[in-house]
Amino acid sequence: EIVLTQSPATLSLSPGERATLSCRSSQSISNYLAWYQQKPGQAPRLLIYHASNRATGIPARFSGSGSGTDFTLSISSLEPEDFAVYSCQQHYNWPCTFGQGTKLEIK
Amino acid sequence: QVQLQESGPGLVKPSETLSLTCTVSGGSINSYSWSWVRQAPGKGLEWIGNIDYNGNSKYSPSLKSRVTISPDTSKNQFSLKLTSVTEVDAAVYYCARDQGDYNNGRIWFDPWGQGTLVTVSS
Repeated sequence: EIVLTQSPATLSLSPGERATLSCRSSQSISNYLAWYQQKPGQAPRLLIYHASNRATGIPARFSGSGSGTDFTLSISSLEPEDFAVYSCQQHYNWPCTFGQGTKLEIK
Repeated sequence: QVQLQESGPGLVKPSETLSLTCTVSGGSINSYSWSWVRQAPGKGLEWIGNIDYNGNSKYSPSLKSRVTISPDTSKNQFSLKLTSVTEVDAAVYYCARDQGDYNNGRIWFDPWGQGTLVTVSS
């Protein structure tokens, strides 16, 4: 089973700043990585799949990059609604697995 | 637009069976495959298993011996049964539509239901 490690656990930033979140895989997963946003009491929302493809309706300030074992989710200029928990998920092989999440909080 | 809604008891006794249903609206379960994912308090997301449009199912190895996912096409629903629950099974349970390739397990999830909290306690 592939283990995903996200860092940092918590990221404190201010609106307007750039956020960079990391996800590292225990083995190469090519570009088979998705990112989700989750707000308290809400369902996860797909942001990115195949490492860099934005899902339908996702603003352009969200971007994903990386391949192999190291991946990044970037938010170019934080909006107030972007403060949430972000999780990565590998869709390289079965069973799919998720990272533990990064909490993006307002500084 | 496809929407999913979980339903079922919010409290299950230890050693009993957890049963949840996911109702799909705005689309047919006869298309795509469909998953259950859970999240224990303070923990990450955990994929439980899924079922495809042919009624074939796949399960997480760690839960395989206790899980059954089955469809009810007449109601456009699919269900989850998890037997012999313990406190570690307490979580928010989500249903979701799979995207990607079910056959080789290369799936991601969109959209998701709102989730339902299941507590395990006597």
